[in-house]
Amino acid sequence: NAGVTQTPKFRVLKTGQSMTLLCAQDMNHEYMYWYRQDPGMGLRLIHYSVGEGTTAKGEVPDGYNVSRLKKQNFLLGLESAAPSQTSVYFCASSYRLERVTQYFGPGTRLLVL
Amino acid sequence: GQQVMQIPQYQHVQEGEDFTTYCNSSTTLSNIQWYKQRPGGHPVFLIQLVKSGEVKKQKRLTFQFGEAKKNSSLHITATQTTDVGTYFCAGNSGNTPLVFGKGTRLSVIA
Repeated sequence: NAGVTQTPKFRVLKTGQSMTLLCAQDMNHEYMYWYRQDPGMGLRLIHYSVGEGTTAKGEVPDGYNVSRLKKQNFLLGLESAAPSQTSVYFCASSYRLERVTQYFGPGTRLLVL
Repeated sequence: GQQVMQIPQYQHVQEGEDFTTYCNSSTTLSNIQWYKQRPGGHPVFLIQLVKSGEVKKQKRLTFQFGEAKKNSSLHITATQTTDVGTYFCAGNSGNTPLVFGKGTRLSVIA
């Protein structure tokens, strides 16, 4: 049982480049989330998904796209990276939206130059 | 939208001293959760409170949920170096995602 895994662990991009972050969970959870964590800002929700084929915007969705083609995977895309997107990105999953634990992946550290 | 505020932002304590972090929501919550993130790590679930006035204990950690279900606190008795990290509260109500506070970073000086 790997729980929630994220790839890559670390990436450096140049401004304007694109990339996709992959999150996978093996707990059969319906709900998956992408957060970004910046110093002093806590965890801010980017996008989330309530099930396969669904996505919804969170608090800070601009500049990101997501897809949930398979229940176990949730992809976060940056089409044209900007220095403001330098952050640590965490994926999480849960079996429902409310009153349940969220399980977090180990994070992806992204640096945009 | 719902906001969750957490204070203090930082706390430095001597080993053996007590520590408390406070969480306040702009709206009534159906539940409050607490997570711990070790330096360089990811958030890990500690506990969930759902009842008005609820108090739960985990060894040296005491968690409270306010009577109005809008505030919560985490108290650590006699801190140890293993308590170092950032503590986040998070809450939601209705069919909305969890909203996290900005966290309290705890440093423990041996």
